[in-house]
Amino acid sequence: GDSVTQMEGPVTLSEEAFLTINCTYTATGYPSLFWYVQYPGEGLQLLLKATKADDKGSNKGFEATYRKETTSFHLEKGSVQVSDSAVYFCALTGGGFKTIFGAGTRLFVKA
Amino acid sequence: DTAVSQTPKYLVTQMGNDKSIKCEQNLGHDTMYWYKQDSKKFLKIMFSYNNKELIINETVPNRFSPKSPDKAHLNLHINSLELGDSAVYFCASSQGRERDTQYFGPGTRLTVL
Repeated sequence: GDSVTQMEGPVTLSEEAFLTINCTYTATGYPSLFWYVQYPGEGLQLLLKATKADDKGSNKGFEATYRKETTSFHLEKGSVQVSDSAVYFCALTGGGFKTIFGAGTRLFVKA
Repeated sequence: DTAVSQTPKYLVTQMGNDKSIKCEQNLGHDTMYWYKQDSKKFLKIMFSYNNKELIINETVPNRFSPKSPDKAHLNLHINSLELGDSAVYFCASSQGRERDTQYFGPGTRLTVL
C-alpha cells in the first residue's frame, strides 16, 4: 500500500540556519503530495502542496519539489526562525480521499 | 470565524465510560474526517464521510462510532473507554474532491484514567 517516510526528529537548528526535512513516498499512480505543519497545541494546517511531477510548492519561505524519479518531496527553507518551531508532516493522497501521513518531524529553532 | 471547531477541547474520564466528541465545519465542505494522534504524534485516519455517506472506515474497534447528522457535522461516540484510547482526536474537512487539502480542527485531548 501507499506509504510516506520522513526523517526522524527532532531537528534542532539555530535561527537563520538552512532547513531540509527529507520525505520519500511509495504510491501507485500519481499522488498529490503535501506538507502540513502543526504548531504546539493546534491542529495541522497546510503548508504547501504539489499535484504533479516537477511541481514546486512554496509558502512562507518553505519550498518542496515533487520528484517522481526519486519519489521524494523534501521540505527546505533558506533561513529558519524561532517561530518555525513545530512538527512537520509529509503526506500523500492517491486516488480517493484517504491521506497517508508520515510520522512527523519535530523542529526546534534556537534564538 | 472558526473554520473547523471541536468540542470539548479536553476530556478526562474514567475507564468504561461512554463519551462523545463533536465537530462542526463552516467551510461548506462535503467531506469530513476523524483522525487519532498518539503521544508520538503519529496520525491515523479513522473515518471519513462524504455528503453524509461513510467512505473510509479504517480498522478501529467497533466501540468507536461516527455519526454525521448533516454535511457540516461529524460526531464521534466512544463506548466503554479504555486506557489505550487516550490520545488527541482531530476532526478535518475538505471540499469533497479527491486529493483536496484538508482543514483541521484544534483537536480534543482525551485522557482515560
